[in-house]
Amino acid sequence: AQSVTQLDSHVSVSEGTPVLLRCNYSSSYSPSLFWYVQHPNKGLQLLLKYTSAATLVKGINGFEAEFKKSETSFHLTKPSAHMSDAAEYFCVVTPYSSASKIIFGSGTRLSIRP
Amino acid sequence: DVKVTQSSRYLVKRTGEKVFLECVQDMDHENMFWYRQDPGLGLRLIYFSYDVKMKEKGDIPEGYSVSREKKERFSLILESASTNQTSMYLCASRPLLRQMNTEAFFGQGTRLTVV
Repeated sequence: AQSVTQLDSHVSVSEGTPVLLRCNYSSSYSPSLFWYVQHPNKGLQLLLKYTSAATLVKGINGFEAEFKKSETSFHLTKPSAHMSDAAEYFCVVTPYSSASKIIFGSGTRLSIRP
Repeated sequence: DVKVTQSSRYLVKRTGEKVFLECVQDMDHENMFWYRQDPGLGLRLIYFSYDVKMKEKGDIPEGYSVSREKKERFSLILESASTNQTSMYLCASRPLLRQMNTEAFFGQGTRLTVV
C-alpha cells in the first residue's frame, strides 16, 4: 500500500536560514510526488512536482525538492527562509495503481522567527 | 488560469439543517474530490467522483452524500448537519490517470460552523 510520511509536524527556523521539510514515501512503483503549501484559511497551492525528468525539482518561491529513490525520500528545501513562507506544507503522492487516489502526508507547519 | 471555485468561504448552519457545499471547476477534469481538514487529523477524503453521476466513498463518508450531475460541478451534501461536522472543507479536481504527473487543483476552502 502506498503511503507518505512527513517526519516533522512543526519546524521553526529563523528568517534568512535554510529550510528543510522531510517527506518519505512508500510505493511499489515510481509514484507521482508533489509538495503543496497552504496559507491560513486558504486552499492548497502547488509548490512543485516530480515528473521523473530530473531528480532535483525547482518550484515556486525559491523552493526545491530532491527525489531520492534509494531513500524513498522527497525532502523540500529552501536556502533562505522568508517571513511569508510561514504556512502548512503537505507532501502528496499519487499512486501508480489508482486513478483517483491522492495520498496526503499529515502536514508540516513551518514557523519563521524574525 | 485554472480555477476550482467553492461557493462559500464561510458558512454557519444550525444542527439538523441540510447543507449544500458547491464546487465548480473550469478545467474539464474527470476526477473531483471532497476533503475535510481538521487540526491534527490532516486532510481526509469524504467522497470522490471520476465521472458524471459516478461516485465512490472515501475514508469518512458517514453523514455526507454527493451529487455530480454535470462534469464541472461536484456538490457535497450534509443531510442533517451536526456539530462534529464543523470543519474546513476543500474541493479538488484532477485529470485522469493517463496524465500521471498532473497535479490536483484545489478550491479556496469552505469553513463550516454548525451551531
